[in-house]
Amino acid sequence: NFMLTQPHSVSESPGKTVTISCTRSSGSIANNYVQWYLQRPVSAPTTVIYDNNHRPSGVPDRFSGSIDSSSNSASLTISGLRTEDEADYYCQSYDNNNLYVFGTGTKVTVL
Amino acid sequence: QVQLVESGGGVVQPGRSLRLSCAASGFTFSNYGMHWVRQAPGKGLEWVAVIWYVGSNTYYADSVKGRFTISRDNSKNTLSLKMNSLRVEDTAVYYCARAPKTTMIDYWGQGTLVTVSS
Repeated sequence: NFMLTQPHSVSESPGKTVTISCTRSSGSIANNYVQWYLQRPVSAPTTVIYDNNHRPSGVPDRFSGSIDSSSNSASLTISGLRTEDEADYYCQSYDNNNLYVFGTGTKVTVL
Repeated sequence: QVQLVESGGGVVQPGRSLRLSCAASGFTFSNYGMHWVRQAPGKGLEWVAVIWYVGSNTYYADSVKGRFTISRDNSKNTLSLKMNSLRVEDTAVYYCARAPKTTMIDYWGQGTLVTVSS
């Protein structure tokens, strides 16, 4: 099975932009869609990006997703950072055997 | 509105069994796949199992295969997870989550805590 590796933490000031990477260990990142989830402390996760770059209704366009085949990675970009964006973020993908994998998680701190 | 409410968590000894349930409301349950995802204390998310609406096909993480069984009762809008031969490392909050298609999860429950300890 494959792994999805994320940076342990990122931090930035309000109003700035942060980008979180998610690198797939084996198999092409482009072959299976990537999702991103946000989890605030002591709360259930919520979906912020699905199918690489689509936002569910209600998610602001400050959140965007992309993939880069050259680095075999996906990215979540949060622009116009706000204090309420402070949370843990997880990427997720799957393989053709219906096995699902979550990334290692990234803690976003708004300074 | 979509609601997913887990129940059945608690403290159980290693080697024993436990059944979790997830009551779904606010949508046509039979039209959706459903996942179980868990999170050990202070750790990240770990996918556990999925059951699809077409043929009720099921798939499991290697860590639980052969010990856990996911099932659904579309007449009662209920998802279940039967956990046998529980281990200390199965201690986690267990979330049920809705899957409108194979690629994504769109709604999550609030979770139920399972503690495996002697």
